Amino acid sequence: KAGVTQTPRYLIKTRGQQVTLSCSPISGHRSVSWYQQTPGQGLQFLFEYFSETQRNKGNFPGRFSGRQFSNSRSEMNVSTLELGDSALYLCASSLPSQTNYGYTFGSGTRLTVV
Amino acid sequence: AQTVTQSQPEMSVQEAETVTLSCTYDTSENNYYLFWYKQPPSRQMILVIRQEAYKQQNATENRFSVNFQKAAKSFSLKISDSQLGDTAMYFCAFIHSQGAQKLVFGQGTRLTINP
Repeated sequence: KAGVTQTPRYLIKTRGQQVTLSCSPISGHRSVSWYQQTPGQGLQFLFEYFSETQRNKGNFPGRFSGRQFSNSRSEMNVSTLELGDSALYLCASSLPSQTNYGYTFGSGTRLTVV
Repeated sequence: AQTVTQSQPEMSVQEAETVTLSCTYDTSENNYYLFWYKQPPSRQMILVIRQEAYKQQNATENRFSVNFQKAAKSFSLKISDSQLGDTAMYFCAFIHSQGAQKLVFGQGTRLTINP
C-alpha cells in the first residue's frame, strides 16, 4: 500500500512569507504528527492530529499551525517565515490505537527560507 | 525532563563487522516504548526495531538487536554482519504509553559502513 506522501519535496520561500505543507497518511491511518528536523535542534515534535482535532502540540510559536481534513490528510502552515524555520519537516502517520508500534514517516519537505 | 542521549555523533566500521550504537534516555514514566529509526539519504525515517519497556526480553529483527537495560535507562542497538545499505543516520526515540503521543528523539548517530 502507498506510504506517507508529503508534498512538495523542496520549497524555497522568502523571509516574511507564509507556507503550507501537505501530508497524506497511509490509508486507514487517522493519527498524523509533524516533526521539524534541523542540524542544531534535531527532531522536534510540532503537533499531532486525530479525527480533525489537534490532540498534542509541541513548544513552537503560534506561527506554526496545522489542520486535518475528514480524509485524514493534514496540512501545516507557517506564517511570517523566519530564517530559522529552514528545516526538514517530516510527517508521520499511525493507527490511533497503535502509536506505540511506531509511526510511519514520509520523506519530508525541505523548506529553505532566504 | 524527557530526554534521549546518543553519545556517538559518528561511527564507521568495515562491511561485515558488528557495530553497537549507544542510547540513554530519561523519563519518570514507567510505561513506554523505545525505538530505533534509520534515516538514509532519502530522508525517510524507517523503523528498525521496537522494544516494549515492560518486556525484559531484548527485541531482535534479523541482523538488528537491542540491549535494553531498564534500570540504567539504556537502549543500545547492535547491527551484526553490517552491510553497505546500513549506512545512514540512526535515531533512538521513545514514546510514553499514556499521555501525549509524541516521539522524543536523540540527536542521532551517523553510521558509515565502508567496503
